[in-house]
Amino acid sequence: AQRVTQPEKLLSVFKGAPVELKCNYSYSGSPELFWYVQYSRQRLQLLLRHISRESIKGFTADLNKGETSFHLKKPFAQEEDSAMYYCALLTGANNLFFGTGTRLTVIP
Amino acid sequence: GEEVAQTPKHLVRGEGQKAKLYCAPIKGHSYVFWYQQVLKNEFKFLISFQNENVFDETGMPKERFSAKCLPNSPCSLEIQATKLEDSAVYFCASRGEGPLSYEQYFGPGTRLTVT
Repeated sequence: AQRVTQPEKLLSVFKGAPVELKCNYSYSGSPELFWYVQYSRQRLQLLLRHISRESIKGFTADLNKGETSFHLKKPFAQEEDSAMYYCALLTGANNLFFGTGTRLTVIP
Repeated sequence: GEEVAQTPKHLVRGEGQKAKLYCAPIKGHSYVFWYQQVLKNEFKFLISFQNENVFDETGMPKERFSAKCLPNSPCSLEIQATKLEDSAVYFCASRGEGPLSYEQYFGPGTRLTVT
């Protein structure tokens, strides 16, 4: 069975500080992981996919199979980064298995 | 359309009443997914469709939940005889076909309150 763990429900950082949102997973197959973000009053949207290895809005996430982690990082947080962040695993049946989410607040 | 649309935004039902939620996927997308989010916790997968065919229904409660995606109609999720624990936000997502179409696009959700 799959599992996605986001240990922090809430995370507050000051503007300009580095931010790391943690995600650990458990999956028997080859994992495909995503970060989704939900800004206030907006719909859930894709932020990052591990396979693409992109940097979106300054965020990066590296899949570490040894540690079964997919932490989301940004070196300098901005106020507009305040949002709800969900780590998600794509199952073999092509649906998403989500973590419980981390609410990030960037303090001005 | 260019976005996944869901109606209604809010739905209030008394326990035991029926609830029906609708989802219009992005035009051209062949996959539709339904997720349930209870109390702002994780999204629980319910069911997916490939066009009008059920693709995966492993998350669907068998007894009271049903869903359809018929040609030229919005997809629907129906709950017969709602219970208090069905109170949640129900999200629909759609995705295109093929290996490059990995992104699921989400609708705004329908908030169901069972009283």
